[in-house]
Amino acid sequence: GAGVSQTPSNKVTEKGKYVELRCDPISGHTALYWYRQSLGQGPEFLIYFQGTGAADDSGLPNDRFFAVRPEGSVSTLKIQRTERGDSAVYLCASSRDRGRTEAFFGQGTRLTVV
Amino acid sequence: AQSVTQLDSQVPVFEEAPVELRCNYSSSVSVYLFWYVQYPNQGLQLLLKYLSGSTLVESINGFEAEFNKSQTSFHLRKPSVHISDTAEYFCAVSPSGTYKYIFGTGTRLKVLA
Repeated sequence: GAGVSQTPSNKVTEKGKYVELRCDPISGHTALYWYRQSLGQGPEFLIYFQGTGAADDSGLPNDRFFAVRPEGSVSTLKIQRTERGDSAVYLCASSRDRGRTEAFFGQGTRLTVV
Repeated sequence: AQSVTQLDSQVPVFEEAPVELRCNYSSSVSVYLFWYVQYPNQGLQLLLKYLSGSTLVESINGFEAEFNKSQTSFHLRKPSVHISDTAEYFCAVSPSGTYKYIFGTGTRLKVLA
């Protein structure tokens, strides 16, 4: 596609529920990243995929968070037993490869846990 | 570990005035440096980056930033701002050759008519 697409753009869920956030990267980009941006903060790194594998998931806050990229393109961030503290904008970015190339960001999914 | 400090959370400035948005970082390894801009209701967009070479980098819309290794700074400047420059600006670093961006908390630039 023309850019990184994230769906839904907004998600309101009840505490304790399970949510999935989807990211469609730019076609041909092998690297994919998830970030979380809380109110008044800069984005914080969650996880990085190179192809289908999670090369670095050190930013995931706990085991309620999980992400997959089964075919090396679309990625899904999954959050179990959501808590109010999970409320944030979840950003996805992709790049042609790691390191020196620019990462292109999607517009994000605003998650609100009530 | 790396960290980024953007001391100014908000910067109001009149149209056609110069502006400087400050960014300082700390790192024990060499880093790449970036400025991203986020316009209202849009995603983050790369404004400019420093990877190596000339320490002064420029964007296509008149912004520039200078990498100062001794002061560990990467301040963003524009000699004359426009209303359309109103946005939030994020400074970021990544350890050279890696993919992890560490972002600052952002500076909201508001250009006044």
